[in-house]
Amino acid sequence: AQKITQTQPGMFVQEKEAVTLDCTYDTSDQSYGLFWYKQPSSGEMIFLIYQGSYDEQNATEGRYSLNFQKARKSANLVISASQLGDSAMYFCAMREGSWEYGNKLVFGAGTILRVKS
Amino acid sequence: ETGVTQSPTHLIKTRGQQVTLRCSSQSGHNTVSWYQQALGQGPQFIFQYYREEENGRGNFPPRFSGLQFPNYSSELNVNALELDDSALYLCASRADRAGANVLTFGAGSRLTVL
Repeated sequence: AQKITQTQPGMFVQEKEAVTLDCTYDTSDQSYGLFWYKQPSSGEMIFLIYQGSYDEQNATEGRYSLNFQKARKSANLVISASQLGDSAMYFCAMREGSWEYGNKLVFGAGTILRVKS
Repeated sequence: ETGVTQSPTHLIKTRGQQVTLRCSSQSGHNTVSWYQQALGQGPQFIFQYYREEENGRGNFPPRFSGLQFPNYSSELNVNALELDDSALYLCASRADRAGANVLTFGAGSRLTVL
């Protein structure tokens, strides 16, 4: 079974509007971490936001927020006020267990976001 | 902090050859992990090293091996290259301190096997 599912292969959004990228996950661990990374065409994976499984508040980082719904096992990324530079591939990822068990992240298949002017 | 740097950025090899990819992590980042990203897919975990020893491995054959050095640099070696090894190879590291949740990636080395 897939541990990270991103059901949207591609998304379009108008500049200055908000967009939500979907991510669902599957784990039996109580302790885990959820991540969103942005990958432009250059290839570098750019960290956007992190949510720990025990964090009660949704994470926010500037224009990025993570809509964490633990019971539904979803961790959607919300980008507010989209900019042309937001056009990229976006990956949702999960770390199972605590960091003591290593730096292994499991990634979804990604969502390509295109921002239109 | 200088981030994670990888070299070379691009390279072309032929089947059966061997390749070494290099990564330089930030000071204090004692754990380094390597990922393979095939075209159109998400990255897949290859293995990780902590203080110069491998301590976690994904579903990759033994011809994928690595080294980590005391100066926060590391290598990924792939022997007997196959066409399916063509991919972007990403190195990532994290600071060894409580609350450090950011796994920082390099820009990757794009390998083409002909």
